[in-house]
This record gives sequence, C-alpha cells and structure tokens, in this order.
Amino acid sequence: GNSVTQMEGPVTLSEEAFLTINCTYTATGYPSLFWYVQYPGEGLQLLLKATKADDKGSNKGFEATYRKETTSFHLEKGSVQVSDSAVYFCALSGIQGAQKLVFGQGTRLTINP
Amino acid sequence: NAGVMQNPRHLVRRRGQEARLRCSPMKGHSHVYWYRQLPEEGLKFMVYLQKENIIDESGMPKERFSAEFPKEGPSILRIQQVVRGDSAAYFCASSGQGANEQYFGPGTRLTVT
Repeated sequence: GNSVTQMEGPVTLSEEAFLTINCTYTATGYPSLFWYVQYPGEGLQLLLKATKADDKGSNKGFEATYRKETTSFHLEKGSVQVSDSAVYFCALSGIQGAQKLVFGQGTRLTINP
Repeated sequence: NAGVMQNPRHLVRRRGQEARLRCSPMKGHSHVYWYRQLPEEGLKFMVYLQKENIIDESGMPKERFSAEFPKEGPSILRIQQVVRGDSAAYFCASSGQGANEQYFGPGTRLTVT
C-alpha cells in the first residue's frame, strides 16, 4: 500500500537558518506529492505540490523536488522566519484525479528569533 | 470565494451521545473527503464522497460512523454512541472534478467527556 515517512520532530531552528524536512514515500505507480502546513488551531493549507518526476514545487520560499529514483520529496527553505513555525505534513495521492491523501506523521517546526 | 466551511468548530459530547459534523465544500467542488487527526498524529483518511454517492469508505470504522453528501446541503459525518477514543479533530476537504488538490476546512474538534 501507499505510505509516507517524514523526518521526526520537533525541529527547532534560529531565524534565517536553512531548513530541510525529509520525506520519503512508498507507492504503486506515480503518485502526486504535496506539502501541507498547519498553523496552531487551524486546518491544513496546501504549501506546494509536484505531479511528476523531477517537478519542483515552490511557494513562499519553500521548495521540494519530486525524486523518483530516491522516492523522496524533501522540503527546503533557505532562510526561515519566526512565522514559519507550524506543523508540516508530506502527503501523496493516487495517479488518478480526486483520490484520498495519505499523510506522513507531521513535523513540528519552531523558529526562534 | 468562501473556502471549505465546517461547523461546529468545537463540539463536546458525553459518552453515548451522537455527534454530527457538517462540511460545506468550496463553491464548484463536488468531491468531499473526511479525515481524522488524533492528538500529535497525522491525518488519517476516513471517507470520500461525491454528491449522493460514497466512493471510498475504506478508512471508516465499521460501526457507529456514517457519512453522507446529499444532493442539497452540506456533507454530514455522523458518529453514534460516541466513546472517549472518538475525541479528535475531524477535517473535511474538497476538490473539483478531476483535480488532485484538496482544500481543507478549519476542522471540528470533538471532545467526548
């Protein structure tokens, strides 16, 4: 079956540090890959996505590249801010449209000023 | 353009009572998904519905849980005879026809006392 494994948290960094949150997946076929962010007390917001191998998703300074050979979709940001503090979820969905999402366990990120 | 709406945001029920959670998808979206998030865990898929049809209920507990998405009105997740283990955040998401991006509501936090 499909599954997603994320880097365990919590992760604590100083402002302006470089961020990497690792995500690897197991799936049949070629899934679409997503990063969602959850701020305290809120629902999930789509941060970025990639739908095929070697695609790079990017948004708000965050990037992730769909690596088929390593089955990975690591999230990176060059310089984090206090406002990036949140829980980040890696997820995949099936190759057809309108499929359920399979989530990783989430990584809590705290950025200190 | 209103996003996905869920109500109530917080719901407290005593053991044995019924809980009804409502979800109105984004305008133009015909696909609805329900997920459950236990404390400090990722989201787990429960059920996927289109108007008047259940497409995938592989994540639904076999007893006490049901879901519907009628032709008119919101989608409803119903939990009968709630137990303490049902305490969680329940999130609804919606997507458009043929789309693989899901947009999440703010969630309903159910507490069973």
